[in-house]
Amino acid sequence: AQSVTQLGSHVSVSEGALVLLRCNYSSSVPPYLFWYVQYPNQGLQLLLKYTTGATLVKGINGFEAEFKKSETSFHLTKPSAHMSDAAEYFCAVSDRNNFNKFYFGSGTKLNVKP
Amino acid sequence: NAGVTQTPKFQVLKTGQSMTLQCAQDMNHNSMYWYRQDPGMGLRLIYYSASEGTTDKGEVPNGYNVSRLNKREFSLRLESAAPSQTSVYFCASREQGVGSYEQYFGPGTRLTVT
Repeated sequence: AQSVTQLGSHVSVSEGALVLLRCNYSSSVPPYLFWYVQYPNQGLQLLLKYTTGATLVKGINGFEAEFKKSETSFHLTKPSAHMSDAAEYFCAVSDRNNFNKFYFGSGTKLNVKP
Repeated sequence: NAGVTQTPKFQVLKTGQSMTLQCAQDMNHNSMYWYRQDPGMGLRLIYYSASEGTTDKGEVPNGYNVSRLNKREFSLRLESAAPSQTSVYFCASREQGVGSYEQYFGPGTRLTVT
């Protein structure tokens, strides 16, 4: 089974600062990669995904992520944090041979300070 | 277009009671999933249904049963609830086909077993 590691269960940034949320996966074969956001008491919403092609992918709300095969990473960034970005973020991977098996990281709660 | 809906939103059970969590999607997706979310553990797959008429175990199936009632509906049953099943339960769906890799999530059911 895959494993997904998100470094830092809590990250705090100031409004306007860079947001960097880290995600590493374990598979030797690059999986499909996703970032989801969860606002309090809500379900998960897709931010962005990497399946093939360009390794820098852009998502909603100004977020982007870069797939780095050599580092088995898919870190999420946003140049300038906004108060509305405060939420929990989950990295997920899916086997290319079995789209039904999604593996989630443990999540990173982002706090944005005014 | 409501997406993925779940009922109930909240439920409190006593140990040993049974209940069924309902999930429906109106996106004509073939695949449906049940996850549980526990603090610090991300989401873990309980069961999934790749298509109407099929169901398969996920990572944590013990204590649960599922029914794929039709293409729209996928229910999760707890036959004899235990405190360890206190969690937030999410249903998700995915369209099969090339390019359709992401899952779409419902708002969740918060279950407490006392």
